[in-house]
Amino acid sequence: GIQVEQSPPDLILQEGANSTLRCNFSDSVNNLQWFHQNPWGQLINLFYIPSGTKQNGRLSATTVATERYSLLYISSSQTTDSGVYFCAAPYNFNKFYFGSGTKLNVKP
Amino acid sequence: NAGVTQTPKFQVLKTGQSMTLQCAQDMNHNSMYWYRQDPGMGLRLIYYSASEGTTDKGEVPNGYNVSRLNKREFSLRLESAAPSQTSVYFCASSLTGLFEADTQYFGPGTRLTVL
Repeated sequence: GIQVEQSPPDLILQEGANSTLRCNFSDSVNNLQWFHQNPWGQLINLFYIPSGTKQNGRLSATTVATERYSLLYISSSQTTDSGVYFCAAPYNFNKFYFGSGTKLNVKP
Repeated sequence: NAGVTQTPKFQVLKTGQSMTLQCAQDMNHNSMYWYRQDPGMGLRLIYYSASEGTTDKGEVPNGYNVSRLNKREFSLRLESAAPSQTSVYFCASSLTGLFEADTQYFGPGTRLTVL
């Protein structure tokens, strides 16, 4: 099946800093999603981004499908951005493989 | 709208006991999913249902059964719980399950411990 790898595994930021999270996938995909899991465990879908760039407030994502990677940018980070960020790629319609995540800690 | 709800929130079982995790959604979604999340890991798909009456195995189906009772409800059953099934279980739903642009909405999770 498809391999989904995320880096870095852990990231500590000072509030206000910017960061880039990376997701590599081993096969071509037609659907790449980013999720945020907050410290209380709730999972929220951030982006559906099979290719190109999308922005939502301080977050943006870019997927380069031909090179099999996606990037999640967080600008002007806030403590509420803390949690774990997952990317997920499908191997059959809506059956997804998740990466192991990037754990982000934003310090005030 | 409550979105995706799961019961119970917490459960402790002894090895060999059985239990059913319940999931319901009120968004009129066709597709529903069960995932498990082990410490420090991403989510792994257990079972998937594209529509009422249909189910399909995911990445880690062994030891589990599912039932899509109707469009709203998708239950996960552990017939004989094992310590390896200690995990946090998430239910999710999405509108169609047939098209790429299909956001998944997650429930709050059930934390299960098997002793």
